[in-house]
Amino acid sequence: KQEVTQIPAALSVPEGENLVLNCSFTDSAIYNLQWFRQDPGKGLTSLLLIQSSQREQTSGRLNASLDKSSGRSTLYIAASQPGDSATYLCAVTPLAQGGSEKLVFGKGTKLTVNP
Amino acid sequence: DGGITQSPKYLFRKEGQNVTLSCEQNLNHDAMYWYRQDPGQGLRLIYYSQIVNDFQKGDIAEGYSVSREKKESFPLTVTSAQKNPTAFYLCASNFGTVLNQPQHFGDGTRLSIL
Repeated sequence: KQEVTQIPAALSVPEGENLVLNCSFTDSAIYNLQWFRQDPGKGLTSLLLIQSSQREQTSGRLNASLDKSSGRSTLYIAASQPGDSATYLCAVTPLAQGGSEKLVFGKGTKLTVNP
Repeated sequence: DGGITQSPKYLFRKEGQNVTLSCEQNLNHDAMYWYRQDPGQGLRLIYYSQIVNDFQKGDIAEGYSVSREKKESFPLTVTSAQKNPTAFYLCASNFGTVLNQPQHFGDGTRLSIL
């Protein structure tokens, strides 16, 4: 059964710092991996989607990498800002019969960027 | 603006009562999903539907029911059989039946017990 782990559960950094959020998954047979952002009391917003054949995706100050063979992904945030404070969730789409239409989520990393 | 609308934002359930959460999307998406989120937990899949008049159980379907009579709508009923319904419920959708595009989410309904 696919399991997704995000460490640390919470992270606090000063404004301007570059930071890395980690995501690991137990089964390398995935269709893709997504990173989401969730603000308090709100739904999720998709940040980046990496297909299994890709190594990384970039959007503005965000860069996500994928190492499928080792079961790891990282989300790099450059020059962090207080507005980046949110919970970041990682999710994979399993590549299994009857599984490519469902996401498996990690529990998220709560990021606080201090002014 | 295209998006997913969930209502109500807050809902209270009395003992023995069934309650229905609404989810409507105008994105012309084929697939719709219901997730439950508990504090400090990831999202857990309750039900999903890839086509009108068809739906599948997710990991925690017991005590819940759904219908998909229209492409735009996927209501979730929390029945009295669900003994611990207090949670944040999120509806999502995506284009196509294979998750090769980003999933879109509504802003959630918070359900509490009176």
